[in-house]
Amino acid sequence: NAGVTQTPKFRVLKTGQSMTLLCAQDMNHEYMYWYRQDPGMGLRLIHYSVGEGTTAKGEVPDGYNVSRLKKQNFLLGLESAAPSQTSVYFCASSWGNSGAFFGQGTRLTVV
Amino acid sequence: SQQGEEDPQALSIQEGENATMNCSYKTSINNLQWYRQNSGRGLVHLILIRSNEREKHSGRLRVTLDTSKKSSSLLITASRAADTASYFCATPWGNQFYFGTGTSLTVIP
Repeated sequence: NAGVTQTPKFRVLKTGQSMTLLCAQDMNHEYMYWYRQDPGMGLRLIHYSVGEGTTAKGEVPDGYNVSRLKKQNFLLGLESAAPSQTSVYFCASSWGNSGAFFGQGTRLTVV
Repeated sequence: SQQGEEDPQALSIQEGENATMNCSYKTSINNLQWYRQNSGRGLVHLILIRSNEREKHSGRLRVTLDTSKKSSSLLITASRAADTASYFCATPWGNQFYFGTGTSLTVIP
């Protein structure tokens, strides 16, 4: 039982490049989330999903897209990376509001 | 923003002492949760307290909730060096979780 797995763990992008972060959970959770964590800012919600085939915007969705084609996977895409997207990205999943399980994070640097 | 705010931002104590951190939030909630984050790792769920509860215990953790003041506190008793981490409160709102900016706790051996 791996819980929530994020890939990759580290990535360096050049400005304008694109990439996809993958999140996989094996707990059959309906809800999945993508957060970014920046120093002094706490965790900010980018996008979330309440079930397969659904997505919704969070606090800071601009510059990101997501897809939830399978219940266990939630993908976060950056179409044209910018230095402001340098951050640590966390995926989480949950059964409703009862408590979230987090992945180990992806440290992304955009140069 | 529905975000909670933790206080203090940073706390340094000696091993064996108790650590108390507080969280204030803005809207009505049905529960409030506390998480721990060790350096370079993801968040780990510690404890959930429902809006109709005033206090909850889990091992060395004690959480209180005052819905009239929209505040919660997390007490860690008999702290250990391994408790060094950042602690966040989270308030579910609709289908989302909103996190505060965290309290950084350092326990000195």
